[in-house]
Amino acid sequence: DTGVSQNPRHKITKRGQNVTFRCDPISEHNRLYWYRQTLGQGPEFLTYFQNEAQLEKSRLLSDRFSAERPKGSFSTLEIQRTEQGDSAMYLCASSLGSGLHVGDTQYFGPGTRLTVL
Amino acid sequence: GQQVMQIPQYQHVQEGEDFTTYCNSSTTLSNIQWYKQRPGGHPVFLIQLVKSGEVKKQKRLTFQFGEAKKNSSLHITATQTTDVGTYFCAGDTNAGKSTFGDGTTLTVKP
Repeated sequence: DTGVSQNPRHKITKRGQNVTFRCDPISEHNRLYWYRQTLGQGPEFLTYFQNEAQLEKSRLLSDRFSAERPKGSFSTLEIQRTEQGDSAMYLCASSLGSGLHVGDTQYFGPGTRLTVL
Repeated sequence: GQQVMQIPQYQHVQEGEDFTTYCNSSTTLSNIQWYKQRPGGHPVFLIQLVKSGEVKKQKRLTFQFGEAKKNSSLHITATQTTDVGTYFCAGDTNAGKSTFGDGTTLTVKP
């Protein structure tokens, strides 16, 4: 399978705990995105990477959220001191990352569903 | 900040009827993409529009990008039960960041 993969697919945690999600993009893709999606809403942009560089981070992202892509391949998204409001589907997407962004199709992974009790 | 609005939020149609969803941006877009998300699934890319006034077709689906590059539409002719899902538009103003609308959820009654 050469698509975007995410692990784990489901995570249940207690409020206050830290969680970490992993995303493996399509191998030749330079850009990697993280989104959050709640029921009835569209994907909400969190952050994105061009290779290993984190180029933009949403203002909606609190300091409890951090993302890394250390070698420009897989990425991790960590949420510290989880809150019930963090419950959502966390989606990762990757794209080729052409310089002009035109034709930069994003391919989404299956997501990690987080439930904070 | 940039806002992308979609209407309607829900659409119920009889199989064979047509369906249209509209997408409006508060700012001029460099390009717009359309995605389909089946229940329980993840967004799947359908198409990208770049040029002002552009029209693209994929079988029964017709996509349009407005002249001012602030609005777009997706029209499905003669819906089928396989068309059910939520259709999202996503607009780009700057390279790297896409703002998604909240989608139009289509249900098709056989």
